[in-house]
Amino acid sequence: KAGVTQTPRYLIKTRGQQVTLSCSPISGHRSVSWYQQTPGQGLQFLFEYFSETQRNKGNFPGRFSGRQFSNSRSEMNVSTLELGDSALYLCASTVQGAEGNTIYFGEGSWLTVV
Amino acid sequence: KNEVEQSPQNLTAQEGEFITINCSYSVGISALHWLQQHPGGGIVSLFMLSSGKKKHGRLIATINIQEKHSSLHITASHPRDSAVYICAAYNNNDMRFGAGTRLTVKP
Repeated sequence: KAGVTQTPRYLIKTRGQQVTLSCSPISGHRSVSWYQQTPGQGLQFLFEYFSETQRNKGNFPGRFSGRQFSNSRSEMNVSTLELGDSALYLCASTVQGAEGNTIYFGEGSWLTVV
Repeated sequence: KNEVEQSPQNLTAQEGEFITINCSYSVGISALHWLQQHPGGGIVSLFMLSSGKKKHGRLIATINIQEKHSSLHITASHPRDSAVYICAAYNNNDMRFGAGTRLTVKP
C-alpha cells in the first residue's frame, strides 16, 4: 500500500508569489490534515479535511487555504508569500480504528521563500 | 505557557541506556500521540494513547489522564534511535504539538 505522497518535495518561491502543494493520502483514507513546521514555531496545525469538507482550521491567516477533492487528494495554497512562510509543510492522512485514529505522515514539502 | 510541554529539550545518552521523555498537556484530549522525526523531515507515528500503556519492541508509552501527563521510554537505546521525538495532543480534529525532544544516542 503506497504511503502519503506529497509533491513537490522542494521548491523555491519569491515573496509575493503564490504556491500550491499537493497531497495524496493512503488509499481509502478520507481524512487529510496539513501542518507547518518551522524552527521557531515548531509543528503547527493548519487545517483538516474529511470528505471534501474542512472540519477544523488552525490559527493561520486567510492567505493559507486548502481543499479536498472527491478522490481524497488535497491541495493547500499559500498566496502572497512572505519570507516567514518558509517551512516544511507536512500532510497526513488518518484512519479511524478500534482504538482511535492512526495518523500517517508524508515526507513533506520544503518551501523556501526568497 | 504552551499547551503541550515536553522535557527535556535535548538528551544525549550512551548506547544501552534507558531513556525517558516526558510530556504534559493542559488541553482536553481524545488521544495523545508520540511521533518520531528523523533528519530530512519524515515523521512516523509511534503510539496513539487514550489511556494506560502501550509497548512496541523497545519503546513503551504511558499516559495518566488525571495528571495530564505522558511518558515515552526507550529501553536499551541504540544510535538508530537518534531522532526528534514529539508528543501531540489530539482533540476534535485538531492537533497541538510539543516542541520536541532531540535525542542523540552515542555508540
